[in-house]
Amino acid sequence: KQEVTQIPAALSVPEGENLVLNCSFTDSAIYNLQWFRQDPGKGLTSLLLIQSSQREQTSGRLNASLDKSSGRSTLYIAASQPGDSATYLCAVRYTGANSKLTFGKGITLSVRP
Amino acid sequence: NAGVTQTPKFRVLKTGQSMTLLCAQDMNHEYMYWYRQDPGMGLRLIHYSVGEGTTAKGEVPDGYNVSRLKKQNFLLGLESAAPSQTSVYFCATKSGTDNQPQHFGDGTRLSIL
Repeated sequence: KQEVTQIPAALSVPEGENLVLNCSFTDSAIYNLQWFRQDPGKGLTSLLLIQSSQREQTSGRLNASLDKSSGRSTLYIAASQPGDSATYLCAVRYTGANSKLTFGKGITLSVRP
Repeated sequence: NAGVTQTPKFRVLKTGQSMTLLCAQDMNHEYMYWYRQDPGMGLRLIHYSVGEGTTAKGEVPDGYNVSRLKKQNFLLGLESAAPSQTSVYFCATKSGTDNQPQHFGDGTRLSIL
């Protein structure tokens, strides 16, 4: 079964730390991988999309990497801020999935002032 | 520019009642999706559409029906609501162009008593 796993489920860090959020997937035949942010009571906001041919994508303080052979992606957040507190979800579009995404359950991040 | 708008935002139903959730988009996107989000289960795809007049089943379609009569609207129907359908429902859209992210609405919080 094609699955996406995010561990741990929750993370608390002090402001200013650089941190890494992990995502693992069970099948290396992926089309792309996306990282989303979800604030409480809100929908998902797309942060970064990495195509299967790419190794990483960057947007501001965020950097996402992709290693298909090991079935892993990481989201790196530099110099974390309290405003980064949210749930971060990883989603994989597997090859042949006709644009459907398989989501991880998310990591709830709390950045303490 | 509203993006993806879900109506209503909140609703309480009694078991056996029916209702329709509306998703409207102004981005001219081809693809539209309905998800449900439950604690500990993550986001699961209910139904989706790859274009006007088309629909397809997702991971958890039982108890739901959908229609895409107009490109900008995707309706999710519950014919006979059950307590197990208590959830937060999200609509998402995506451009028909490859490697584009999904865009989400803010969700509909539905309680079935």
